[in-house]
Amino acid sequence: EAGVVQSPRYKIIEKKQPVAFWCNPISGHNTLYWYLQNLGQGPELLIRYENEEAVDDSQLPKDRFSAERLKGVDSTLKIQPAELGDSAVYLCASSEGGSETQYFGPGTRLLVL
Amino acid sequence: QKEVEQDPGPLSVPEGAIVSLNCTYSNSAFQYFMWYRQYSRKGPELLMYTYSSGNKEDGRFTAQVDKSSKYISLFIRDSQPSDSATYLCAMKNFNKFYFGSGTKLNVKP
Repeated sequence: EAGVVQSPRYKIIEKKQPVAFWCNPISGHNTLYWYLQNLGQGPELLIRYENEEAVDDSQLPKDRFSAERLKGVDSTLKIQPAELGDSAVYLCASSEGGSETQYFGPGTRLLVL
Repeated sequence: QKEVEQDPGPLSVPEGAIVSLNCTYSNSAFQYFMWYRQYSRKGPELLMYTYSSGNKEDGRFTAQVDKSSKYISLFIRDSQPSDSATYLCAMKNFNKFYFGSGTKLNVKP
């Protein structure tokens, strides 16, 4: 069974440019998470979806970040415009509803110049 | 104060040593406690999870939770070079996970 798929794996952009990350969760997993991980830190939740509904987006900087999960499967996280401080790893994870077991993708490493 | 505190290390041990990794937390509502392993440039991988207080063993790994002290531990017996990674503790409350900052472990051959 395929794990959580993320693309791209690496992205280098200049500040003020837009960028988008894509995540395909494990088949059948209705809960999807986007996390931000800075160097030397643990993942921090940006947004959590239950099916297509964003049930926790309290930590998402909504002035520049947006996310969607159409049809309750794939998800896209967008930043517009990107700032230098957005350089980090963006992790996607999925789980079956209510499960303590969440599975992470390999992450997208973003560098904003 | 962060909800979950974890010593960042790095921790360097010889092969075969017993490793002890620890986290403290402040929220007494946490019920589920997890340990993740993260290799460089990879996503975190769940090692073990426990519910409430007590011990749980899986091969060379033992997870321990002491809710009265708000303290959790992960022990690795007979450590191997392949155990070299960053270990993240995590706790769950109301479908939200809270992660420690991770402890970097290096097991020297």
